[in-house]
Amino acid sequence: RKEVEQDPGPFNVPEGATVAFNCTYSNSASQSFFWYRQDCRKEPKLLMSVYSSGNEDGRFTAQLNRASQYISLLIRDSKLSDSATYLCAVNKVRGSTLGRLYFGRGTQLTVWP
Amino acid sequence: EAQVTQNPRYLITVTGKKLTVTCSQNMNHEYMSWYRQDPGLGLRQIYYSMNVEVTDKGDVPEGYKVSRKEKRNFPLILESPSPNQTSLYFCASSPDRVQETQYFGPGTRLLVL
Repeated sequence: RKEVEQDPGPFNVPEGATVAFNCTYSNSASQSFFWYRQDCRKEPKLLMSVYSSGNEDGRFTAQLNRASQYISLLIRDSKLSDSATYLCAVNKVRGSTLGRLYFGRGTQLTVWP
Repeated sequence: EAQVTQNPRYLITVTGKKLTVTCSQNMNHEYMSWYRQDPGLGLRQIYYSMNVEVTDKGDVPEGYKVSRKEKRNFPLILESPSPNQTSLYFCASSPDRVQETQYFGPGTRLLVL
């Protein structure tokens, strides 16, 4: 079973729409959670971390549900510039020294005018 | 400017010809990783390193070697490249194992004929 599962989409939404992505993780020992954004043929860039209490950054809201082992990303009032692939990532810290970051396969979002 | 650099950015080579992809970061980060990204498979970790001389295998280490002799550099070595190693490669660094902020290099597109 993969560490992180993510619906690949694609999601095609009009400008102004609200869109939500979910991501599930398999290991309850996972400790840190993130959403990354990746534009076509570019490197991933950290969009936001996900905290247990949920967190918001402008039009973006991230939430964590430890009981059900999933994280979500909500984008409100979608803009054309939001078109990208969104990757969830989960960090599992193993032992006392080394940690591993596991990525979902990414969800492709296209916002159309 | 804080950054992760990779070289070369694009490389076409032939089966069996040893190659090295360099990665360097200027942020004094302890944690560095190599990933490969393939369509439908997402980002998969090849190797990672917590600090100088401390490395460990990721999910897909076969056919790759790494070394961490200096904190800032983390080269990826393909001793005998094969066509199935054709991929987009990313180097990444972060201050610690929690990886609250992970910086990716711009990527190296490798084609093995």
